[in-house]
Amino acid sequence: DTGVSQDPRHKITKRGQNVTFRCDPISEHNRLYWYRQTLGQGPEFLTYFQNEAQLEKSRLLSDRFSAERPKGSFSTLEIQRTEQGDSAMYLCASSLVRLTSYNEQFFGPGTRLTVL
Amino acid sequence: AQSVTQLGSHVSVSEGALVLLRCNYSSSVPPYLFWYVQYPNQGLQLLLKYTTGATLVKGINGFEAEFKKSETSFHLTKPSAHMSDAAEYFCAVRVDHNTNAGKSTFGDGTTLTVKP
Repeated sequence: DTGVSQDPRHKITKRGQNVTFRCDPISEHNRLYWYRQTLGQGPEFLTYFQNEAQLEKSRLLSDRFSAERPKGSFSTLEIQRTEQGDSAMYLCASSLVRLTSYNEQFFGPGTRLTVL
Repeated sequence: AQSVTQLGSHVSVSEGALVLLRCNYSSSVPPYLFWYVQYPNQGLQLLLKYTTGATLVKGINGFEAEFKKSETSFHLTKPSAHMSDAAEYFCAVRVDHNTNAGKSTFGDGTTLTVKP
């Protein structure tokens, strides 16, 4: 168990380009979350998956954003036609949800996106 | 809906002095409460959490926090600051019933500076 991993750790891109980030949750964790953290702010919820199903999306997740978790394991977050306002740290978290008890969430190291 | 307010975006203390970082929350149902620490260009590290039971919780690195329901507060303290405590600290609230699906709501963070 190596924890939640994210790739890449840093991404620099030009405005208008597409970018894709990957999150590998802890093995067998059934729930996966994406958060965005802009400079000077706390993380904000973007979306979450229960296994492969995307169950909720924040209004922060514009049409240019899409997230997938095709086999209920790793997840990808794609941003199309990036804008400078997309520059942020993108954090992934995972948990093993058991409805009858508290579920620990584990955060990954994040992917820092810079849009020039 | 839940929310978190961290009072004071910047706190400065001398090495060896008491650290007090303030957090107030609002939630319509009993929440889980968290403090995380974040070092530059890194992800979130869990310092401590309150789920149920004892309202005074102890975490890593000598930090502790007390859940006060009547005051809707969860302030973070450490008796003696160390230079290595300089970082960004985030308070978070989580409500694990279906409509919130376990997503966390974070405060805007408090930057702790420790002076020699």
